Amino acid sequence: EAQVTQNPRYLITVTGKKLTVTCSQNMNHEYMSWYRQDPGLGLRQIYYSMNVEVTDKGDVPEGYKVSRKEKRNFPLILESPSPNQTSLYFCASSLSPTGTQETQYFGPGTRLLVL
Amino acid sequence: GENVEQHPSTLSVQEGDSAVIKCTYSDSASNYFPWYKQELGKRPQLIIDIRSNVGEKKDQRIAVTLNKTAKHFSLHITETQPEDSAVYFCAASGFYGGATNKLIFGTGTLLAVQP
Repeated sequence: EAQVTQNPRYLITVTGKKLTVTCSQNMNHEYMSWYRQDPGLGLRQIYYSMNVEVTDKGDVPEGYKVSRKEKRNFPLILESPSPNQTSLYFCASSLSPTGTQETQYFGPGTRLLVL
Repeated sequence: GENVEQHPSTLSVQEGDSAVIKCTYSDSASNYFPWYKQELGKRPQLIIDIRSNVGEKKDQRIAVTLNKTAKHFSLHITETQPEDSAVYFCAASGFYGGATNKLIFGTGTLLAVQP
């Protein structure tokens, strides 16, 4: 089954404790992206990747890191989480390296609470 | 950069009535306009999209219109059903400078269809 998976789905942590949210897709998609969703703000892009070893900042990259060592995986890293990073996070992928001119397939979301 | 405004933020209709959600964008470089539906606790899913060379697109009970001159695009749902209740996001994508394009989301509309 074609899908985007994320882990964990729910995470409670404390300020400053490094964490990684994994994202994996099995559709051989070139483009992958991370969004955060906050009430009243919609979905905002954090980072994106056009292909292996090619990543770039989105609109709200501060406090986040990403890597794309393999085509199928695009982990989101919070080196020192802070309470303002409490949010719902979505990973997404699409076929083309130009990414956003076609259907984005979203993962199930990761709800993060930073205390 | 590009900015997408979406109205209304909440919309309540009676089953069988029509619902209209409107979005405006600021950057004339935007050329792809998808709409995503997000049911409670679920991931966003594409329901319809339109490109800038088309003024209207229809798929069964949903339609999208685009007015490039006014930089407006709208989602129309006819004969609404309770299962249409969800949050709807508009988005705009284009090459705003740089090697790839971005997808900018509106802030979402919570549609409630009353049986």
